[in-house]
Amino acid sequence: GNSVTQMEGPVTLSEEAFLTINCTYTATGYPSLFWYVQYPGEGLQLLLKATKADDKGSNKGFEATYRKETTSFHLEKGSVQVSDSAVYFCALSGTGNQFYFGTGTSLTVIP
Amino acid sequence: DADVTQTPRNRITKTGKRIMLECSQTKGHDRMYWYRQDPGLGLRLIYYSFDVKDINKGEISDGYSVSRQAQAKFSLSLESAIPNQTALYFCATRQSGANVLTFGAGSRLTVL
Repeated sequence: GNSVTQMEGPVTLSEEAFLTINCTYTATGYPSLFWYVQYPGEGLQLLLKATKADDKGSNKGFEATYRKETTSFHLEKGSVQVSDSAVYFCALSGTGNQFYFGTGTSLTVIP
Repeated sequence: DADVTQTPRNRITKTGKRIMLECSQTKGHDRMYWYRQDPGLGLRLIYYSFDVKDINKGEISDGYSVSRQAQAKFSLSLESAIPNQTALYFCATRQSGANVLTFGAGSRLTVL
């Protein structure tokens, strides 16, 4: 079946630190992979996506590369800001176009 | 106005009460979803609808029902609320053929 596993939080970083949030997946076929972000008091918003192996999704300084050989889609940002504090969800869309979400990783960036 | 609007945003109720959460969208998407978010569990799918005449159970449909009154409206009902239904509920939409979900801001439900 389809599932997503992402690193447990919470994660606390100082401003300008490097961020990695790990995400691995299990899927049949060739899923699309996503990172969604949830800011406090808001719904989830699409941050970036990748639809096939070796694709790199990027947005707002965040990047993630679809690695089929390691079934991973790790989220990275070179220099985080206080405004990046949020909960980040890894997700996949597989056969039947159902979405499967990870448990979310809370990030707090301190000045 | 938001593309996907959920009402109410917050609700406190008592065990055994009937509750309805409403979702409306202006995006013209044909597919609509209800998810539940619990700490440490992420998002779990309750029900989804591909069009007005198509309703499908998700991962955790027990204790819930839905109604797709129109393409733009999808409501979630708890016939007899219980405390373990305390959670944050999200409505989402998607256009068939597109691979992106658009979420509402969420409805926080507390069952005492």
